[in-house]
Amino acid sequence: NAGVMQNPRHLVRRRGQEARLRCSPMKGHSHVYWYRQLPEEGLKFMVYLQKENIIDESGMPKERFSAEFPKEGPSILRIQQVVRGDSAAYFCASSPNRGAGEKLFFGSGTQLSVL
Amino acid sequence: GIQVEQSPPDLILQEGANSTLRCNFSDSVNNLQWFHQNPWGQLINLFYIPSGTKQNGRLSATTVATERYSLLYISSSQTTDSGVYFCAVVETSGSRLTFGEGTQLTVNP
Repeated sequence: NAGVMQNPRHLVRRRGQEARLRCSPMKGHSHVYWYRQLPEEGLKFMVYLQKENIIDESGMPKERFSAEFPKEGPSILRIQQVVRGDSAAYFCASSPNRGAGEKLFFGSGTQLSVL
Repeated sequence: GIQVEQSPPDLILQEGANSTLRCNFSDSVNNLQWFHQNPWGQLINLFYIPSGTKQNGRLSATTVATERYSLLYISSSQTTDSGVYFCAVVETSGSRLTFGEGTQLTVNP
């Protein structure tokens, strides 16, 4: 049973380009969470999605960031017109049910570097 | 939102020493997890422990939910234990994990 898969592992973008980060949850999991980790800091919640629905996006910046989790395929975190401050590690986690009492499993993360 | 405080922020040990890491939280929770982030950035789930005590090899954890804290014990530390240890909680009224700022552990040979 494969774990949470994130790709790419490393992503380099120039300022103004778009970044697309992918997350495939564990088999049987229909809930996905995205977190961002800035250098030397803890993980900060961004968005919580269920298939075809955004449940909680209160941690997502209002501009340039969007997330989706379609019926088929991975969850996508999209960052438009990236800036240097977007450089961070982005982690995805999944759970089989609504997450309040669930053990979350994290992917290995995507390290985004903006030049 | 809920506040999660971890202490100490940094800890340096000699191999073989024991240590205790602490996590305080500001509100009632129904989910508490301890993670180890290794030097390569991977997050490893150590314990799911909203209450009680669990042990896994040289590691054990205790959560006293009524007093709003959790402790992670590392015995006979090894250099491979180095990394950042995070505590993360879900408050009773919520649905997402809130992380503390972590304890940076360095174990020297």
